[in-house]
Amino acid sequence: KAGVTQTPRYLIKTRGQQVTLSCSPISGHRSVSWYQQTPGQGLQFLFEYFSETQRNKGNFPGRFSGRQFSNSRSEMNVSTLELGDSALYLCASSEGQTRNQPQHFGDGTRLSIL
Amino acid sequence: GEDVEQSLFLSVREGDSSVINCTYTDSSSTYLYWYKQEPGAGLQLLTYIFSNMDMKQDQRLTVLLNKKDKHLSLRIADTQTGDSAIYFCAEKNDSGAGSYQLTFGKGTKLSVIP
Repeated sequence: KAGVTQTPRYLIKTRGQQVTLSCSPISGHRSVSWYQQTPGQGLQFLFEYFSETQRNKGNFPGRFSGRQFSNSRSEMNVSTLELGDSALYLCASSEGQTRNQPQHFGDGTRLSIL
Repeated sequence: GEDVEQSLFLSVREGDSSVINCTYTDSSSTYLYWYKQEPGAGLQLLTYIFSNMDMKQDQRLTVLLNKKDKHLSLRIADTQTGDSAIYFCAEKNDSGAGSYQLTFGKGTKLSVIP
């Protein structure tokens, strides 16, 4: 089975712009979660989608949003980019039905804000 | 609230055993995970343990869980230079509505000396 695929791998944007990141989960996985990784804050949970519905959201401003499509692929969007949004954004997928299913991560999208 | 603590650095000689420690605070955590991150990559799931278990062994990896003290450890036998990476401990928290999120430690950077 192919793993979790994230595109693009690298992005450079300027302050005030917006960005969309994409995640294709492992085939058959219906839950997709997003995490932000920075040197200062470490790994922080952004949100989780299951069957096109957001089930859970972390403590991030409304500039961070996401969605999930019927094929379980997910996108996250960040509007009005700030310098502090520079980070590695990781997507993880799981089957999502019961609590004993681990999350599998992609290689991430590294976003740099100039 | 949930919190996961790890020491930041560990240095071992090739061939020795490595032990990475982690403490967590959420007594309702059901599963605890170890992930490995190599430079420029995402998180690789190494192993996980259910909270009603004391120990789990998987080839060179041994996980020990002391639920009373909320202490988790990962032992890597016969450590190799390819084991050099950052190791993250994570607990799975029930967010309600069938959703679970991972809370991560800051990661332990393992350096293996040839």
